[in-house]
Amino acid sequence: GAGVSQSPSNKVTEKGKDVELRCDPISGHTALYWYRQSLGQGLEFLIYFQGNSAPDKSGLPSDRFSAERTGGSVSTLTIQRTQQEDSAVYLCASSRLAGGPRETQYFGPGTRLLVL
Amino acid sequence: GQQLNQSPQSMFIQEGEDVSMNCTSSSIFNTWLWYKQDPGEGPVLLIALYKAGELTSNGRLTAQFGITRKDSFLNISASIPSDVGIYFCAGRATGANSKLTFGKGITLSVRP
Repeated sequence: GAGVSQSPSNKVTEKGKDVELRCDPISGHTALYWYRQSLGQGLEFLIYFQGNSAPDKSGLPSDRFSAERTGGSVSTLTIQRTQQEDSAVYLCASSRLAGGPRETQYFGPGTRLLVL
Repeated sequence: GQQLNQSPQSMFIQEGEDVSMNCTSSSIFNTWLWYKQDPGEGPVLLIALYKAGELTSNGRLTAQFGITRKDSFLNISASIPSDVGIYFCAGRATGANSKLTFGKGITLSVRP
């Protein structure tokens, strides 16, 4: 597609439930990033993929968070047993190649997650 | 870890005024990026800087890569209401696998 897309755009869930957030990167982009943005905060790095592998998962807050990418394209971020502090905007970005000298990340519109 | 400092958290200006924002780091960066985020949207890249001292313009926006490589500035001239939003700086340090680090952003309000 023309840009990065994410779904759902909004998600309200109950504490303890699992949620899946989806990201469709720009076609041809091999790198994909997940960030979390809490109210009034900057972007917190979660994980990135180069192709289907995740060289850096260091930002995942706990083992309740996981992500996968298949076919070098779509990625899913899964949060298990959601907690209220998981409420945030989850942003996905893609780029042609991670770590390239002039890498530019293009962001999707985000998924707004609210855990009640 | 690396941190980027943006302050103040919010800025209020009158339409037509110029505004300047800066971003500082305790580490040396070799790339500086400025993004704008509109309400309900993801950040959009405004300007990218790759060389110390570089000065780049994009319409009414001008950004500079500081000589020390520890800071960057974004200037918006003749502000208009649609300039409202959150402005983030982001930087990448030297290293093949270095991640982008983002500042906390500055929320800009423009009074008509």
